[in-house]
Order: sequence, then structure tokens, then C-alpha cells
Amino acid sequence: SQQGEEDPQALSIQEGENATMNCSYKTSINNLQWYRQNSGRGLVHLILIRSNEREKHSGRLRVTLDTSKKSSSLLITASRAADTASYFCATDGGSNYKLTFGKGTLLTVNP
Amino acid sequence: DAGVIQSPRHEVTEMGQEVTLRCKPISGHDYLFWYRQTMMRGLELLIYFNNNVPIDDSGMPEDRFSAKMPNASFSTLKIQPSEPRDSAVYFCASSLGWGYQPQHFGDGTRLSIL
Repeated sequence: SQQGEEDPQALSIQEGENATMNCSYKTSINNLQWYRQNSGRGLVHLILIRSNEREKHSGRLRVTLDTSKKSSSLLITASRAADTASYFCATDGGSNYKLTFGKGTLLTVNP
Repeated sequence: DAGVIQSPRHEVTEMGQEVTLRCKPISGHDYLFWYRQTMMRGLELLIYFNNNVPIDDSGMPEDRFSAKMPNASFSTLKIQPSEPRDSAVYFCASSLGWGYQPQHFGDGTRLSIL
């Protein structure tokens, strides 16, 4: 069963704008990870946030985690056409570290 | 450094045939994962290994699926006999350690069963 669910399913923005994707999950976690998948390629790890962390940054990426609401968000600032991809959140199961992936948000950045 | 390498990239075969997917993990990684991705079900974990030993195969859909890891640098996922509903993209991933570790994915094998 899917643990994480991303929202929205699809997002289309103009280059230079910010993109925000959300992830909700159901059970307690140890960590939450975000991955990117370009068309026809494998998933690429972007960022990991532990359950005791509230915010993390990496370059143009900002991830927040609210364990009380069981939700996370991924913000991509100053988006570029090359950011066009599907973005997935992955959560572990709390009692184990197996990752469960959501179905992803398809982000399209128009030049 | 070389990433996770999967072969073949594409496979088209007729139902009933045996299919073997191959994976070479990143050198030094001690965990290896096989996933299947479909539009309907998303990305599903099929099985994972630690130090070449299968740890959890609860995601393997049926007895038609089997996976082996004879050494630290090679793993196979076999489907015999194959069925059209097995059509999907199959990914292999590896990680160094367990828990708070990112997984590194190959580019997948796109499998079509006619």
C-alpha cells in the first residue's frame, strides 16, 4: 500500500517561478526522502529529512516536515526548464526502514 | 564513479517466455533493492538483499518471480513464465547501509510482454 501521497499530481509553471509539492503520509516515520525522476530514467535522490528535523535546504531545494500533520513539502525556487521531472516522496515504515514511494508530482517548467 | 547498471534497457518478449533482468550495484554498497513501476500501482518494492542475502521478498507478486544475488556485484530478477500483466519498468537500486541512507537507482528495464 502507498504510504506517501503527493499533491498536486501535476504542476505547470513558468521558468523562474517557485514550485511547491506536498506529501502526506499515514504512519510514523524515521525519515522522509524526496527523489526526482526524469522521463525514461531512474530515480535520483534529492534530500533526506529525519523525523526530528523540521526544515532542510540543499541548493534551490527546501524541504519541510511536520510530523504532527504527517506531511512534508518540497519547494524548488527559481525553477528552470531542466527541473521538469516527476518528484516522489518516500517514507520508511517507522518500525522498519523499507521505503514506500508515492505516485509522484509531474512538474513541467515552461521556458 | 559508475552508478547502478541494469541490462537490458528494453525487453520485448511473448508471454510464457522466461525473462531475466540484470543489475550491477554500486561497488561497496551492501544493500540491493528490486522495484517495479507501473502507472496503476506506482513504485513497488519487490525484494531486497543485504550482503547478498535476501532479507524480505514479501513484495514479490507470485512464485513466477525469483531473484538471486550470487555475489556483491551482480543480481538477477527472473520471471518464468512471463505474463502480459508483468509489463512494467523494473528498477534496481543500491545503498550503503540501511535506514538513513539514500538509494541509488539504475535507469531501469522497460519490459513488455506480448
